[in-house]
Amino acid sequence: GAVVSQHPSRVICKSGTSVKIECRSLDFQATTMFWYRQFPKQSLMLMATSNEGSKATYEQGVEKDKFLINHASLTLSTLTVTSAHPEDSSFYICSAKGQGRNSPLHFGNGTRLTVT
Amino acid sequence: AQTVTQSQPEMSVQEAETVTLSCTYDTSESDYYLFWYKQPPSRQMILVIRQEAYKQQNATENRFSVNFQKAAKSFSLKISDSQLGDAAMYFCAYGESQGNLIFGKGTKLSVKP
Repeated sequence: GAVVSQHPSRVICKSGTSVKIECRSLDFQATTMFWYRQFPKQSLMLMATSNEGSKATYEQGVEKDKFLINHASLTLSTLTVTSAHPEDSSFYICSAKGQGRNSPLHFGNGTRLTVT
Repeated sequence: AQTVTQSQPEMSVQEAETVTLSCTYDTSESDYYLFWYKQPPSRQMILVIRQEAYKQQNATENRFSVNFQKAAKSFSLKISDSQLGDAAMYFCAYGESQGNLIFGKGTKLSVKP
C-alpha cells in the first residue's frame, strides 16, 4: 500500500543550528502535505499545510520564518527548523494526501527533534 | 472553528473484554470525515477506522466499530475482545476534504492480562 517516508527519525542538534526534515510519498503523488507537532503526552497540532508548487499555509501562532516549508515536487515536502532552540524540541510528523477528494491520508513515522 | 473532545484521558480494560472510547466534536459543516487513530509508544500513527459523515451506517473494521451519532456529534469507538496489543494512545480526529485533521487530546488505553 501507499507509504510515506519521513527522515530522519531522530535528530539532535545544537541551539542556533538548522535542521531539515523530509517527507516523501513513495508510491503516490501527494498534492498536499501536512506538518504536525506533538509535544510529550499531548495531541498532534497542525503547523502548516503544504501544497505542491505554492507557499505553505501556516496555522495561527506558527512562525513561518522559523519553520520553513518547501513542497517542490509531488513526492517531497521538507520542513526546516531554523535557528533551533530547546523549546523547539518535539516530535514532528507529516501526512500526505493524494489527488482526489476521497484519496486517503497517510502519515510518516515522525521525527524526534532534540535541541541541546 | 471545529473542535474535537475526548473526555477520557485514560481507560483500562481486561483482556478479551469490550471497551468504548468517547469522542464528541463540533462543526457547522455537513460534509466531513471522522477518524480514530492508534498511537503506540513508537508514535507511529495507525489508522483504526474512518467514517464519512454522509454515511449513516457505522464503520466496522474487525474488532473495532464506531457508534456515529451525527445529530449528537458523537463518534465513539468500541473495541471488542481486547488484546494486549491494543494498548496505546487513541486519538479521535475530524477532517474535511482537504485532508488537514483536528485531533482530540487522546485517551490512553491500558489492557490488563
